[in-house]
Amino acid sequence: DQQVKQNSPSLSVQEGRISILNCDYTNSMFDYFLWYKKYPAEGPTFLISISSIKDKNEDGRFTVFLNKSAKHLSLHIVPSQPGDSAVYFCAAGLGGGGADGLTFGKGTHLIIQP
Amino acid sequence: SAVISQKPSRDICQRGTSLTIQCQVDSQVTMMFWYRQQPGQSLTLIATANQGSEATYESGFVIDKFPISRPNLTFSTLTVSNMSPEDSSIYLCSMGWGSEQYFGPGTRLTVT
Repeated sequence: DQQVKQNSPSLSVQEGRISILNCDYTNSMFDYFLWYKKYPAEGPTFLISISSIKDKNEDGRFTVFLNKSAKHLSLHIVPSQPGDSAVYFCAAGLGGGGADGLTFGKGTHLIIQP
Repeated sequence: SAVISQKPSRDICQRGTSLTIQCQVDSQVTMMFWYRQQPGQSLTLIATANQGSEATYESGFVIDKFPISRPNLTFSTLTVSNMSPEDSSIYLCSMGWGSEQYFGPGTRLTVT
């Protein structure tokens, strides 16, 4: 049973517009959520995280929104840039993002079109 | 964030052999983790490796197949034993840092 789901395998967005990547989870015990960006042949790069006690966290062009009642989170990238083209993984953890192993979604391949 | 390196970056191995992957972190960390990414799949946690204690394995992974060492706070190894083609994957180590987790570049393993 997949506890973290990213239902869009790919997403195409025009440069300069907003990219919205979605993630759903089923385990209400998750208390930390993280987003990673991954290029081919590299390890995942940490982007941004959010605690379950918050509903929004912002870092530069990246904002993560958490809706606990819907068990849904989203990553907004504004404005989208060509270098943002990569696979984005949503991950969830128990006991804090660095204190426990993470459960990952299958990823969304974001393509930024010029 | 810390810098994490892995060796080897890639390898091609014959079935029935074993490969040990090394993970080095440039800071002392308590929590280290090992993941596997099979072709076209997401990352799956293999085990948690804390210094000074036995590794904790996730369901579906056993110590005989994936022995782990954690001799100090900056280093860990994962061995993939008695390999089969199904073990062909990217193996990644990560470290916990506060509320965040950082990953190494991965080791791409192909078993023939």
